[in-house]
Amino acid sequence: AQSVTQLGSHVSVSEGALVLLRCNYSSSVPPYLFWYVQYPNQGLQLLLKYTTGATLVKGINGFEAEFKKSETSFHLTKPSAHMSDAAEYFCAVSPLRGGGNKLTFGTGTQLKVEL
Amino acid sequence: SQTIHQWPATLVQPVGSPLSLECTVEGTSNPNLYWYRQAAGRGLQLLFYSVGIGQISSEVPQNLSASRPQDRQFILSSKKLLLSDSGFYLCAWTPTARDEQYFGPGTRLTVT
Repeated sequence: AQSVTQLGSHVSVSEGALVLLRCNYSSSVPPYLFWYVQYPNQGLQLLLKYTTGATLVKGINGFEAEFKKSETSFHLTKPSAHMSDAAEYFCAVSPLRGGGNKLTFGTGTQLKVEL
Repeated sequence: SQTIHQWPATLVQPVGSPLSLECTVEGTSNPNLYWYRQAAGRGLQLLFYSVGIGQISSEVPQNLSASRPQDRQFILSSKKLLLSDSGFYLCAWTPTARDEQYFGPGTRLTVT
């Protein structure tokens, strides 16, 4: 069975500072990995995904994440935080490739951006 | 392009009343469909998923049920709501042979 751990349920950064949201996964097979963002009272929006190939993946809104198999991690980063980045972020894993398999989500990290 | 709709957007229902939430996907065919619940301050709990018309898999035993009467329609129902059914309900879909899920705008359900 697969699982996802997001370290830090709340992260606070200053505007312009580096954003680092941590995600570690457990999976018996090489997984597909995803990051989603959720703004208040809205659905989840896909930020980026890792399937195969390049381990550094770029997503929307200036976010990127790096798949590190040896560390079983998929941390999300953004060089410079903006006030509009304040939201909840979810990491997710899919253990099987292709075919619309179920995703396992982490418990989420609430990002606060301060002036 | 594909879009996903959910209605109603908000709902306040008394304990013991029935429930029907609807989700519809446009611009695609034969999607996988999912219902999630997000309770206050908690993550996403997968409730049901469907790979085709009439094919429903339940993830968590509870007083909720789901149906898929048409290819792009997914309905979440209850005969008698409990206080613990309050939450934010999200519908999602996956394109055929893909893994990423795309979410609808959600329904905020408050059971009083």
